[in-house]
Amino acid sequence: DQQVKQNSPSLSVQEGRISILNCDYTNSMFDYFLWYKKYPAEGPTFLISISSIKDKNEDGRFTVFLNKSAKHLSLHIVPSQPGDSAVYFCAAGQGGSEKLVFGKGTKLTVNP
Amino acid sequence: ETGVTQSPTHLIKTRGQQVTLRCSSQSGHNTVSWYQQALGQGPQFIFQYYREEENGRGNFPPRFSGLQFPNYSSELNVNALELDDSALYLCASSSVGGSGGSYGYTFGSGTRLTVV
Repeated sequence: DQQVKQNSPSLSVQEGRISILNCDYTNSMFDYFLWYKKYPAEGPTFLISISSIKDKNEDGRFTVFLNKSAKHLSLHIVPSQPGDSAVYFCAAGQGGSEKLVFGKGTKLTVNP
Repeated sequence: ETGVTQSPTHLIKTRGQQVTLRCSSQSGHNTVSWYQQALGQGPQFIFQYYREEENGRGNFPPRFSGLQFPNYSSELNVNALELDDSALYLCASSSVGGSGGSYGYTFGSGTRLTVV
């Protein structure tokens, strides 16, 4: 039972354009969500998070949107840069449990 | 500030053997979690240690066990290795009293385990 789903294995965008990575979840008990970025041969790096009581969180070029009714979140990167090319993981957690549930990841390629 | 370091980086073991993976938490962090990432999958939670006690466990059999030491370093032990145990094993640490998930863990680069 995959509780966190990233349905797009890959995404390719042009430098300077917007990248939109999507994530769906099934467990309504999740109360915080995170995005991690992973380069080859490195561990995942925390990017941005959002609490379930918010619908938007912004940090520089990165914005995460949460639609609780649709159980959907998205990560927007504007403008996209070649250095953003990596695998992006969506993860979800529940207060009182330290377990993070990850999606399978989306490989983003930003072309110069 | 040092990050999370894991050793070894790569390891090849034979089915049925035992393996110990090591992790040094980021300075000041008191919570460590272990994740298994199979090829093409996202990381899966194995267990977490907080103040040297297991503080949550995922859907992994008892042959996966762990330890956390007073200096907050940690070990993951896997007995009776199976071919499906081949994966990247990630260690993650945080400092927020065991509630680090919502603040984002710091991950190490992982140990690539191959079971043949």
